[in-house]
Amino acid sequence: LAKTTQPISMDSYEGQEVNITCSHNNIATNDYITWYQQFPSQGPRFIIQGYKTKVTNEVASLFIPADRKSSTLSLPRVSLSDTAVYYCLVGDPSYASKLTFGTGTRLQVTL
Amino acid sequence: DVKVTQSSRYLVKRTGEKVFLECVQDMDHENMFWYRQDPGLGLRLIYFSYDVKMKEKGDIPEGYSVSREKKERFSLILESASTNQTSMYLCASSPRAANTEAFFGQGTRLTVV
Repeated sequence: LAKTTQPISMDSYEGQEVNITCSHNNIATNDYITWYQQFPSQGPRFIIQGYKTKVTNEVASLFIPADRKSSTLSLPRVSLSDTAVYYCLVGDPSYASKLTFGTGTRLQVTL
Repeated sequence: DVKVTQSSRYLVKRTGEKVFLECVQDMDHENMFWYRQDPGLGLRLIYFSYDVKMKEKGDIPEGYSVSREKKERFSLILESASTNQTSMYLCASSPRAANTEAFFGQGTRLTVV
């Protein structure tokens, strides 16, 4: 699996847009980019997945540039309840391989 | 909804005990995973199984073994528990066709005294 690098932590105020960038320089052709969210004392939860350009769902948007060496998770108008750790993973969804999580980005949202 | 159920939320065991952590999923997923999570270290993969009776070592398999006799159940075994295995243990499952979309259980916080 391609190694990923993300900021250790970020702070935001409620109502702001938050962008978390993940670097994955050695991403392979068949790899997809997947983001998870984890609240304290809970298991991670799938947020969004994409291959290229832009993907949007009811929770977030995922922006992937043409070279796919990085990706940005965008959370619109965050609230206190978005305080969590966000993980970026890169891998081939059609291949049964181990899923390796990094240390993630700890997002703290305050009033 | 997919459900991944871990047998215990909290567990306290003594050093040297044999410990079983059980995980059951109800969505007929091929892949199952065991992770441990420690402060500052994120989630680290212990073992992975992609089919019944099949297993692969993750990044930190030492001191652990696993068993997958049925598709829905994946057990993590600590042969002789030690204090450095005190941690939060998380089980996950995923369908083979969408391997990177995994579903996690609530976790088992194991304390070894």
